[in-house]
Amino acid sequence: GAVVSQHPSWVICKSGTSVKIECRSLDFQATTMFWYRQFPKQSLMLMATSNEGSKATYEQGVEKDKFLINHASLTLSTLTVTSAHPEDSSFYICSATLAGGSGTQYFGPGTRLTVL
Amino acid sequence: GNSVTQMEGPVTLSEEAFLTINCTYTATGYPSLFWYVQYPGEGLQLLLKATKADDKGSNKGFEATYRKETTSFHLEKGSVQVSDSAVYFCALGSENTGNQFYFGTGTSLTVIP
Repeated sequence: GAVVSQHPSWVICKSGTSVKIECRSLDFQATTMFWYRQFPKQSLMLMATSNEGSKATYEQGVEKDKFLINHASLTLSTLTVTSAHPEDSSFYICSATLAGGSGTQYFGPGTRLTVL
Repeated sequence: GNSVTQMEGPVTLSEEAFLTINCTYTATGYPSLFWYVQYPGEGLQLLLKATKADDKGSNKGFEATYRKETTSFHLEKGSVQVSDSAVYFCALGSENTGNQFYFGTGTSLTVIP
């Protein structure tokens, strides 16, 4: 149980285009979803926290107009990287928690974004 | 505030060796503690967790005990295998912090035959 999927698993795009990444909780309703960014050989950096039906809370230094987060339902959150540039190339990972889950976060498999 | 300090790697061990990866934390309140494992090119998988002091989490031969007196949650395994090669992350989180996690920097483990 508690499976989180991400789509796509990897994407290559041209500079200036927008990319949407989906994060789904497959067998549970996620009260909260998180978006992380991970650079090679580094830890995860929290980008934002989102709750269904409300605006995402962004961490300091993360541009909310560039990284648009929509949490339309209890099983789906999307991250859209707008006007992507090569420096946005990274590994993006989402996670989700469920009510009464003692705070455990369940992580998706990640999405590798490469911007040319 | 909340933070996690994790033993830096990389760590290289021979198969069947004993593994310890140190993790200490600072926290307000009573957090849960977690170990996650990340295999190359993949997301994080929950390895084990402990939700209160003196709890021991265990999975796949790995163990960690929530020590409040030493604010530690060290990961141990008695006999590592090549398949254990991965990056291990210690994390702190709780519903009191809005489920926000605080991660250690990760420790890369390579097990050689």
